[in-house]
Amino acid sequence: GDSVTQMEGPVTLSEEAFLTINCTYTATGYPSLFWYVQYPGEGLQLLLKATKADDKGSNKGFEATYRKETTSFHLEKGSVQVSDSAVYFCALSAPGGAGSYQLTFGKGTKLSVIP
Amino acid sequence: ETGVTQTPRHLVMGMTNKKSLKCEQHLGHNAMYWYKQSAKKPLELMFVYNFKEQTENNSVPSRFSPECPNSSHLFLHLHTLQPEDSALYLCASSLRAAGGAPNSPLHFGNGTRLTVT
Repeated sequence: GDSVTQMEGPVTLSEEAFLTINCTYTATGYPSLFWYVQYPGEGLQLLLKATKADDKGSNKGFEATYRKETTSFHLEKGSVQVSDSAVYFCALSAPGGAGSYQLTFGKGTKLSVIP
Repeated sequence: ETGVTQTPRHLVMGMTNKKSLKCEQHLGHNAMYWYKQSAKKPLELMFVYNFKEQTENNSVPSRFSPECPNSSHLFLHLHTLQPEDSALYLCASSLRAAGGAPNSPLHFGNGTRLTVT
């Protein structure tokens, strides 16, 4: 079945550091890829998405590029802020039967940014 | 304001209690979901409702009983739970039941933190 593998956390960075959170996937067909973010005490929010190979999703300074050849969708940000401290989830969506979609999440990577 | 409101935020219950979790969405969506979030595990999809009809039940034990009276409200009725059921329960909604479709992303509530003693 489909699966998503994220780098183990927690990740601790100083403010203004460069961030990379690795995500690789296994899927049949052509999935869509997502990053969700969960701030402390809140639910998940969609951060960005990419629907086909070589697409780049971006939002709030975060970027991720859909790399079909390496089955990856790594999340990057050039300069993190304390407010970026959260848990980040990589996810994929693949079509199932009868117009349905199966959304598969990774385990999440906790990011802590210190001043 | 996420558009998806869950109550209560925290719940502590004994194994013999009966309680209910509530979810309400103000987004005009047609599909609603229950997810379970446990530490160090991927999110687990529990139930899916589309236009009030249950379309998915991921082998969830019968001690969890969902109810969806209309497209805006979703409940999770709990009875005789076990300590391993302690987790964050997240409600989500999407415009269409294809909740993983790229043009129908999930919108999550802030969750109910459940502790079973």
